Amino acid sequence: LAKTTQPISMDSYEGQEVNITCSHNNIATNDYITWYQQFPSQGPRFIIQGYKTKVTNEVASLFIPADRKSSTLSLPRVSLSDTAVYYCLVGGSTGYALNFGKGTSLLVTP
Amino acid sequence: GAGVSQSPSNKVTEKGKDVELRCDPISGHTALYWYRQSLGQGLEFLIYFQGNSAPDKSGLPSDRFSAERTGGSVSTLTIQRTQQEDSAVYLCASSLTQGRYTDTQYFGPGTRLTVL
Repeated sequence: LAKTTQPISMDSYEGQEVNITCSHNNIATNDYITWYQQFPSQGPRFIIQGYKTKVTNEVASLFIPADRKSSTLSLPRVSLSDTAVYYCLVGGSTGYALNFGKGTSLLVTP
Repeated sequence: GAGVSQSPSNKVTEKGKDVELRCDPISGHTALYWYRQSLGQGLEFLIYFQGNSAPDKSGLPSDRFSAERTGGSVSTLTIQRTQQEDSAVYLCASSLTQGRYTDTQYFGPGTRLTVL
């Protein structure tokens, strides 16, 4: 399973764009990149998943460069309610990456 | 429809007692996962079920931990002779297909276990 590295914590002000980068140097050809969000006292929830280039949904965008050795989760105009822990996972159809790690703790302040 | 449910939401027990934690996955989801999250830590994988079988038990921390799934639905995680280090939030998740990574995992609210 590909190992991932992401910052332990990040701070932002309301209304700013937040970019969280995850490194996964040994990503395999069949691996997908998935991000989950976890609020305090709740289980994680799926945010976005991608394989290459850019994926966008109503919550976030995911940017994946051509070499796929990293990925960036972009949260536009964050609000206080975006304060949460964000997990980057890498895995593919040959298995199931279940290593959530410690994630990135994002704190959004007024 | 209903999401993943877990019971109890909180469990306080004494060291040495056995506890059972229950997970009801989303109807029709064939894959079921158990994780453990200690205070301030990330999620630690415990076990994965595909239908009623558990092809991956590699995360169970000791032989005091066991899990079963019956009828391809409800799962029970049992911890025997609980220790204080077992205190954590136990999270259950389910996914639609047979454990392919690209499947979205839907998590329950968790069971907070406190061992005194």
